[in-house]
Amino acid sequence: AQSVTQPDIHITVSEGASLELRCNYSYGATPYLFWYVQSPGQGLQLLLKYFSGDTLVQGIKGFEAEFKRSQSSFNLRKPSVHWSDAAEYFCAVGALGAGSYQLTFGKGTKLSVIP
Amino acid sequence: SQTIHQWPATLVQPVGSPLSLECTVEGTSNPNLYWYRQAAGRGLQLLFYSVGIGQISSEVPQNLSASRPQDRQFILSSKKLLLSDSGFYLCAWSAQGLLYGYTFGSGTRLTVV
Repeated sequence: AQSVTQPDIHITVSEGASLELRCNYSYGATPYLFWYVQSPGQGLQLLLKYFSGDTLVQGIKGFEAEFKRSQSSFNLRKPSVHWSDAAEYFCAVGALGAGSYQLTFGKGTKLSVIP
Repeated sequence: SQTIHQWPATLVQPVGSPLSLECTVEGTSNPNLYWYRQAAGRGLQLLFYSVGIGQISSEVPQNLSASRPQDRQFILSSKKLLLSDSGFYLCAWSAQGLLYGYTFGSGTRLTVV
């Protein structure tokens, strides 16, 4: 069965600093990988996804992520963080389960931004 | 375009009372539907998913049940709420396959008192 690990529960960065959120997955085949963002009291919004091809994928809000098969990682990056990026971020891996494709989510990383 | 509606946004219910949360999807047909619960600091827990009308798969044995009476309607229910049922409940849908991932509703904050 697939699994996702987000090693950092909480990260604090200064506004304007760069950001990298870590995600490691476990899956036997080529994974479908996703990053979602959740603002407090809201649902999850898709930031970006990787299915195949170019291992560096661009998403919304200036985020990007790089798929590294050798490291089983799909880290999320942003060169300059804005205060509005404060939220919780979830990495997910998709796989075919019992009759449907399903996403398995990590436990999330909460991002705080210092002005 | 496709939209997902989830209501109510907040709910305070006494222990032992029934529960009904509704989720509807517009602009697509035959979606896969999902119910998740999110407890503080514990990530997303998949409760139920459905690949078609009347087809419900349960991921976690618990005090809750789900039904899909129509193609784009997914209902989460309980006959008697427990304190431990408190949390943030999210509905989501996906097309067949994962090309677009999941699209989530805005969630229901349930507090059992």
